[in-house]
Amino acid sequence: NAGVTQTPKFRVLKTGQSMTLLCAQDMNHEYMYWYRQDPGMGLRLIHYSVGEGTTAKGEVPDGYNVSRLKKQNFLLGLESAAPSQTSVYFCASSPLGRDQPQHFGDGTRLSIL
Amino acid sequence: SQQGEEDPQALSIQEGENATMNCSYKTSINNLQWYRQNSGRGLVHLILIRSNEREKHSGRLRVTLDTSKKSSSLLITASRAADTASYFCATFSSNTGKLIFGQGTTLQVKP
Repeated sequence: NAGVTQTPKFRVLKTGQSMTLLCAQDMNHEYMYWYRQDPGMGLRLIHYSVGEGTTAKGEVPDGYNVSRLKKQNFLLGLESAAPSQTSVYFCASSPLGRDQPQHFGDGTRLSIL
Repeated sequence: SQQGEEDPQALSIQEGENATMNCSYKTSINNLQWYRQNSGRGLVHLILIRSNEREKHSGRLRVTLDTSKKSSSLLITASRAADTASYFCATFSSNTGKLIFGQGTTLQVKP
């Protein structure tokens, strides 16, 4: 039982490049989330989805786009990477509702040079 | 503004001792959750306590919630080296629809 799987685990980009982070969950959860974790800042919500085909903005959505074409997958895109987007990105899922316990992947460590 | 703030930021104890971490928050909540994060890994949910509950137990974990003081504590009894991790509280409010994470307490348990 894999739970929440994130790919890639590490990536280095140059400023202005684009990339997509993939999150897959095998628990049939409705809700999925993308967070970033920065030192001293805790986890901040970027975007989330309440079901297949839906997305919504979180607290820090600027510079990111997301898509949820299939229930099990949630993609996070950076169209034009900036050094300020250097961070560790976590995907999470929950069965129903943002008030429920969330299951996290092991993160993608992204560096923008 | 930060909703959940943990105290202390770092804690170092000997194996077998108890570890207590505190979380304070500012606005009314529906529930408060505690998570653990091992180095280089994702967060793992430990326990959820609802606003109408005062205490909850799970194995060696004991969580208390005082809504009048807007604070919670996580007690780990008889700590083990494997408990070394960062611990985060997260508060959910139906008023905002948001789950807000604190900055975490880093716990080191020395063998």
